[in-house]
Amino acid sequence: SQQGEEDPQALSIQEGENATMNCSYKTSINNLQWYRQNSGRGLVHLILIRSNEREKHSGRLRVTLDTSKKSSSLLITASRAADTASYFCATAVQGGKLIFGQGTELSVKP
Amino acid sequence: GAGVSQSPRYKVAKRGQDVALRCDPISGHVSLFWYQQALGQGPEFLTYFQNEAQLDKSGLPSDRFFAERPEGSVSTLKIQRTQQEDSAVYLCASSRDRVPTVSGNTIYFGEGSWLTVV
Repeated sequence: SQQGEEDPQALSIQEGENATMNCSYKTSINNLQWYRQNSGRGLVHLILIRSNEREKHSGRLRVTLDTSKKSSSLLITASRAADTASYFCATAVQGGKLIFGQGTELSVKP
Repeated sequence: GAGVSQSPRYKVAKRGQDVALRCDPISGHVSLFWYQQALGQGPEFLTYFQNEAQLDKSGLPSDRFFAERPEGSVSTLKIQRTQQEDSAVYLCASSRDRVPTVSGNTIYFGEGSWLTVV
C-alpha cells in the first residue's frame, strides 16, 4: 500500500501561473523526492530534499518539507505547457525502497 | 544506450499465460528496483537487488511473481499464470549506489513494460 497522499489529485492552470502540489506521508523518512511522469513514459527524478532540510530550490522548482507535519509541497513557478504531466512524491524509507504517493495530474493550458 | 532499458514495451497475455519482463540497468549500477504501477496510481514497490542479491522482495504480491538478477546486471521479472489484476505497467529502476534511498543519489527509471492480461 502507498504511504503518501497527494493533493490535489488534478490541477489545471494557465501558462505563466504557479502550480503547487502537496504531499503527506505517514512514517519517518530519510529523504523525500519528487518525480515527474509524462503520459505513457517512465519517471524522471526532479528534486530531493533530505529530512534535515526545510526548503530546496532547483530552477523553477521549490520544495518544502515539514517533518513535524509529515508533509511536503512542490511549487512550479511560471508554468509552461511542457510542464503538463503527473507529479509524484516519494518517501525514502529505511531499507532501500521508495514509497510513492498517488500523484497530482497537472495540466498547463497555453 | 545510456538509460534503463526495458523489454518488451508492450505485452498482451492471455489469462493463465506466463510472462517474462526484462530490465537492462545502466551499466555499473549496483541497485536495481522493480515497481508496479496500475492505471492512474502511483508506483508500488515490488523488489530490490544489490548486485545479484535480492535484499527485499516484500512487495511481490504473490508467489506467482519472481524476480532474478543472476549476474548482477540484467534482471528478469517473471509472472506465472497471469491474472487480470496483474495488468499494469512494470517499471524498472537502477542506481549506482548500494542504498540510494539513504545516499540520495539519483534513481533512474526505465519507460516500463505495459502488461495487459485478457
